[in-house]
Amino acid sequence: EVQLEESGGGLQQAGGSLRLSCETSGFTFSSYDMNWVRQAPGKGLEWISHISASGSSIEYADSVKGRFTISRDYAKKSLNLQMESLRAEDTAVYYCVRDQGYYDSSGYPRYYMDVWGKGTTVIVSS
Amino acid sequence: EIALTQSPATLSVSPGDTATLSCRASQPVRSHLSWFQQRPGQAPRILIYGASTRATSIPARFSGSGSGTEFTLTISGLQSEDSALYYCQQYDDWPRTFGQGTKVEI
Repeated sequence: EVQLEESGGGLQQAGGSLRLSCETSGFTFSSYDMNWVRQAPGKGLEWISHISASGSSIEYADSVKGRFTISRDYAKKSLNLQMESLRAEDTAVYYCVRDQGYYDSSGYPRYYMDVWGKGTTVIVSS
Repeated sequence: EIALTQSPATLSVSPGDTATLSCRASQPVRSHLSWFQQRPGQAPRILIYGASTRATSIPARFSGSGSGTEFTLTISGLQSEDSALYYCQQYDDWPRTFGQGTKVEI
């Protein structure tokens, strides 16, 4: 069974740092792209970062670019998110999400988010 | 950035009814659109990808359609367990974006 389990959330002051981790199991971690998605209290979903299977391609949302760093540890089969210069608006549940590949009607590979972890809560106090 | 607009914001339906949820993209996303269901207190789960392909283990009463800028999620034979928030999400271009969600109340 594919499982993703986030950890590292907690209460932090504005300007501080936190490191989130996502332990994975039940699939070949090195073969899948991964993402972080967050959800502020009572709000919708916001994609914040993506890393390719090889780690060579990384994307960030503008809201976190320059402050957050995504990485992966192949030995531990884990996904990480280093969060710096935290702001009150970073308060959210952070989800680790796996990408699944398929070929679209034009024959090009595409990737959609399929498996989600249960999330870890980050609270930033101002 | 591609904006996704979902309508209606809330849909009140009765068991056994059919619900039709809409998602409009600010620019074409071809068929690179997913639908997610989020029950209260739970993580989202994938329902539909590629605009119309059901994910593994998703019942046939969930169906998706559309391409380009207009998409629809149809839930037929609604059951009480379908009470949830539903989000569309595009993966045609970076950044990936979500709609604001439609709440289905049964």
